Amino acid sequence: KAGVTQTPRYLIKTRGQQVTLSCSPISGHRSVSWYQQTPGQGLQFLFEYFSETQRNKGNFPGRFSGRQFSNSRSEMNVSTLELGDSALYLCASSLASPLAGETQYFGPGTRLLVL
Amino acid sequence: GQNIDQPTEMTATEGAIVQINCTYQTSGFNGLFWYQQHAGEAPTFLSYNVLDGLEEKGRFSSFLSRSKGYSYLLLKELQMKDSASYLCAVTKSNYQLIWGAGTKLIIKP
Repeated sequence: KAGVTQTPRYLIKTRGQQVTLSCSPISGHRSVSWYQQTPGQGLQFLFEYFSETQRNKGNFPGRFSGRQFSNSRSEMNVSTLELGDSALYLCASSLASPLAGETQYFGPGTRLLVL
Repeated sequence: GQNIDQPTEMTATEGAIVQINCTYQTSGFNGLFWYQQHAGEAPTFLSYNVLDGLEEKGRFSSFLSRSKGYSYLLLKELQMKDSASYLCAVTKSNYQLIWGAGTKLIIKP
């Protein structure tokens, strides 16, 4: 089985621009979660999608949004980029419910640099 | 609060044993994950504890005390490849998953 894939792997943007990141979960997995990781901050939960619905959301501003398609692929969008948005963005998939203790499988991440 | 506390960095010697601690707020607690993350790579699952006690998986063991809000990851017979960050994450009854900042483990020969 193919693992979780994320595209692109690296991105450089300037302040004020917007960006869309893509995640393809493991086949058969219906839950997709997004995280932001910065040095010293650990993983910060952005949101989780299940069956095309946002099921859970972290404490990020509305500039961060996402969606999930019928094939479980997910995208996240960040509008009006700020320097502080520079981070590694990780996507993780699980069968149905990571918040109930299911293992999450992480993708390699998209490293975003905002100049 | 929802803080999860782990030491920022630990150093150990190849072949030795190391214990990485994680403390958390007990309210609404369901279970606790440990993940390993090598530099530049994605986190990978190590364990999930729900009940009190020690669970052993080869060289790695994870312990949980629900009443004390405490867990540890025990790594035995350390190898250089164990140099990584170890992430602790807690699942809560209000359907939240909260991550610690991670412990960077440095293994020296």
